[in-house]
Amino acid sequence: KAGVTQTPRYLIKTRGQQVTLSCSPISGHRSVSWYQQTPGQGLQFLFEYFSETQRNKGNFPGRFSGRQFSNSRSEMNVSTLELGDSALYLCASSLDQGGNNSPLHFGNGTRLTVT
Amino acid sequence: GENVEQHPSTLSVQEGDSAVIKCTYSDSASNYFPWYKQELGKRPQLIIDIRSNVGEKKDQRIAVTLNKTAKHFSLHITETQPEDSAVYFCAASRSGGYNKLIFGAGTRLAVHP
Repeated sequence: KAGVTQTPRYLIKTRGQQVTLSCSPISGHRSVSWYQQTPGQGLQFLFEYFSETQRNKGNFPGRFSGRQFSNSRSEMNVSTLELGDSALYLCASSLDQGGNNSPLHFGNGTRLTVT
Repeated sequence: GENVEQHPSTLSVQEGDSAVIKCTYSDSASNYFPWYKQELGKRPQLIIDIRSNVGEKKDQRIAVTLNKTAKHFSLHITETQPEDSAVYFCAASRSGGYNKLIFGAGTRLAVHP
């Protein structure tokens, strides 16, 4: 089975621009979560989607948004980029069989640099 | 609020020694505790996980223990090898948390030959 695929791997953007990152989950996985990884703050939860619905959201400003499509692929968008948004953005998928937490499988991430 | 503290931040051992990483969580509703290994430039990979109805779980050289009363859980790696060198993250999640993992800050493990 193919793993979680994230595109692009690297992005360089300028302050004020917006960016869209893409994630294709493992086949059959319906839950997709997004995390931000930085040296200072570590791994922080952004949001989670299941069946095209956002089920949970972390403590990030409204500039961070996402969506999920009917094929479970997900995108996240960051508008009005700030220097502090420079980070590795990780997508994770899980089987989510209902009730209990399922193991998360991470993609290789998208490294975003804001200049 | 939700918080996971992880210690130590760095750990250096000789090949063949054991390594122990400890985490403490604040949310008493947490019931799922995974551990991830992240090698330099690579994605976090799940190495072992434990649920709150189990006190200990072992997989070859890796074991995890959970003390719900003290809200502690620990990762034990025995007979360490140089390829165990990586950053290890503990995490906690609650039932109905919809895959929201609260991560510890990470432990950089170096295994010297």
